[in-house]
Amino acid sequence: EVQLVESGGDLVQPGGSLRLSCGTSRFPFTTYWMNWVRHVPGKGLEWVANINQDGSVKNYVDSVKGRFTISRDNAKKSLYLQMNSLRVEDTAVYYCASDLGYLQFDYWGQGTLVTVSS
Amino acid sequence: QSALTQPASVSGSPGQSIAISCTGTSSNIGYYNYVSWYQLHPGKAPKLMIYDVSNRPSGVSNRFSGSKSGNTASLTISVLQAEDEADYYCASYGNRGVFGTGTKVTVL
Repeated sequence: EVQLVESGGDLVQPGGSLRLSCGTSRFPFTTYWMNWVRHVPGKGLEWVANINQDGSVKNYVDSVKGRFTISRDNAKKSLYLQMNSLRVEDTAVYYCASDLGYLQFDYWGQGTLVTVSS
Repeated sequence: QSALTQPASVSGSPGQSIAISCTGTSSNIGYYNYVSWYQLHPGKAPKLMIYDVSNRPSGVSNRFSGSKSGNTASLTISVLQAEDEADYYCASYGNRGVFGTGTKVTVL
C-alpha cells in the first residue's frame, strides 16, 4: 500500500521557521510531480506549492512566494517544505500529495499541523 | 479567494441521491476537463473520488459519479449512506483554480 507520511509540524511564533518533510514508501516517487496542500481549520483546502519530477520547476501560491521553498530528494523519496517568516494565517494542517496530472491529487498523507501563534 | 463556488451544505436521507455543484468560469472548469473531487473525513487523509470530470479511481464506489456542463461541475452520490457524511471539495485546473469552497454533506 502506498504511504505518504508528513512530519515537522509544530507550534511556532510569528516570524519563525519550520521545515516539513514527507516520506514515501511503496510509491513511484521519482515519476510524480509532488504538492503541498493545506487545510485551514474551519475553512477550505488551499494548494500551496508543487515541484516537478527532477526538482527543476517549482510553483507557489502567491501568499507564500518568497517565504516558502519546496524541494525534494529523489534518492530518499522525500518531499520538503521550508517555511520562513511564518504568519498566523499559515496555521493549517499541511498535506503532501502526489499529482495524477493537471493538479489532480491521487495520494495524500495524513497531514501535519502547523500552528503559528504568539 | 477560491474561484470555484460550492454550496456550503447538502443533506439527504439514507438511500437518496444528492448532487453537489461546483461553479467556476470559462478559464477553468469551462475550458479544461480536469475536474476532481475529494472527500474529507476528520482526522483522515483526503481521498480522491473523481478525476478528469467523471473517472473513478480504483476502489471508489460506483455510487459516486461526476459530470460537467459549461462552467459547472457536479458530484452525485447515489444511494446515500451514513459513511458518506463528510466534507467534499472540487478542484479544477486553470486560471484561479484550484479548490472549491467545500460542501458539508449530512446524512439525515
